[in-house]
Amino acid sequence: GAVVSQHPSRVICKSGTSVKIECRSLDFQATTMFWYRQFPKKSLMLMATSNEGSKATYEQGVEKDKFLINHASLTLSTLTVTSAHPEDSSFYICSAPPGGRAGVTDTQYFGPGTRLTVL
Amino acid sequence: GENVEQHPSTLSVQEGDSAVIKCTYSDSASNYFPWYKQELGKRPQLIIDIRSNVGEKKDQRIAVTLNKTAKHFSLHITETQPEDSAVYFCAATISSYKLIFGSGTRLLVRP
Repeated sequence: GAVVSQHPSRVICKSGTSVKIECRSLDFQATTMFWYRQFPKKSLMLMATSNEGSKATYEQGVEKDKFLINHASLTLSTLTVTSAHPEDSSFYICSAPPGGRAGVTDTQYFGPGTRLTVL
Repeated sequence: GENVEQHPSTLSVQEGDSAVIKCTYSDSASNYFPWYKQELGKRPQLIIDIRSNVGEKKDQRIAVTLNKTAKHFSLHITETQPEDSAVYFCAATISSYKLIFGSGTRLLVRP
């Protein structure tokens, strides 16, 4: 099946710093990727849709200046948490539906997640 | 917007018994309904999915049913095993392939 990787898997940072999380599709192209946030024992909350070659679209209530998304290529999307604060501590997961420029399928594959802890 | 409700939040069954998890969705335009299994600290794994032109799909011990009229779909696991213990999420797609997830069901299979 399709493989999605994330890096780093775990990060601890001080309040006020910025953290970049990478999401890569390893064996397929993805014009679209999705970023989710998951609190302990809770469901996945869609944060934004990352679009290759254009601006990301954010869900209601998600601050676009706080969570910067860049989809630089057909296999890489990055999420940068700017000026992180303790309330940003969470499990961040990306997903990607296989599909290059010809189209996108609806099946999504998830990355392993990044656990962010802001002190 | 789309809302997906999932029940029950926890489910405990004896090994060998069946488990059923139910979800309802609000957006009649939704046309793809995947189910994911997530173990603690791990990524969600797709276990089965169904599209709106199909009423039922089965894969070994796992089956999913969809009732478009009532806007609900269910996951059925038969002959449960301890390794089935995990959190299960249903989801529904809305526009542009976005997935909206249910709140999750914590399944415990007792040996």
